[in-house]
Amino acid sequence: DAGVTQSPTHLIKTRGQQVTLRCSPKSGHDTVSWYQQALGQGPQFIFQYYEEEERQRGNFPDRFSGHQFPNYSSELNVNALLLGDSALYLCASSLEASRCGNTIYFGEGSWLTVV
Amino acid sequence: AQKVTQAQTEISVVEKEDVTLDCVYETRDTTYYLFWYKQPPSGELVFLIRRNSFDEQNEISGRYSWNFQKSTSSFNFTITASQVVDSAVYFCALRYQAGTALIFGKGTTLSVSS
Repeated sequence: DAGVTQSPTHLIKTRGQQVTLRCSPKSGHDTVSWYQQALGQGPQFIFQYYEEEERQRGNFPDRFSGHQFPNYSSELNVNALLLGDSALYLCASSLEASRCGNTIYFGEGSWLTVV
Repeated sequence: AQKVTQAQTEISVVEKEDVTLDCVYETRDTTYYLFWYKQPPSGELVFLIRRNSFDEQNEISGRYSWNFQKSTSSFNFTITASQVVDSAVYFCALRYQAGTALIFGKGTTLSVSS
């Protein structure tokens, strides 16, 4: 049973560029969330996708956008990259069709460096 | 407001010592869920435990144990007889309703030396 998989693992981008990160949820899960984790900090919620729609969004600018596909996989897009976007981006999946306490599983993350 | 506080930034112990990681949370909701995750240097957040607000029973899993006390809004995590492999950053997190995000503390870095 594959867990949450993310790609790419590491990438380096230049300020002003755009980046796309990808995530495949754990088998059987229908909901994908994205988190940003800056160095030395706890993860911060970006947004959550369920049934191909953004259901909830954290305090992130519109430069951060996403998408969920019919197979539940998801993409995170960041436009006009800033140096401050350098972080570990974590994808999380869960089965939200039932109770809210369902366990949320995370992938290994994508390390983004903006230079 | 929902908030999780992990006051201990870093803890260093020697192998076989017991260590307790503190977590204090704030929420106005009566139904909520608390989690602990372990983050090794690779970056992946590894799920350790989930506890709902209705169940204050403490839990033990091998060398790990958790103490949930609603009266003090705390959900502390104890590692008994620590090992070098326990070295990681540990996060406590709160979730207060369906479809909402996890709210994380800033994490506690545990270093276990041999």
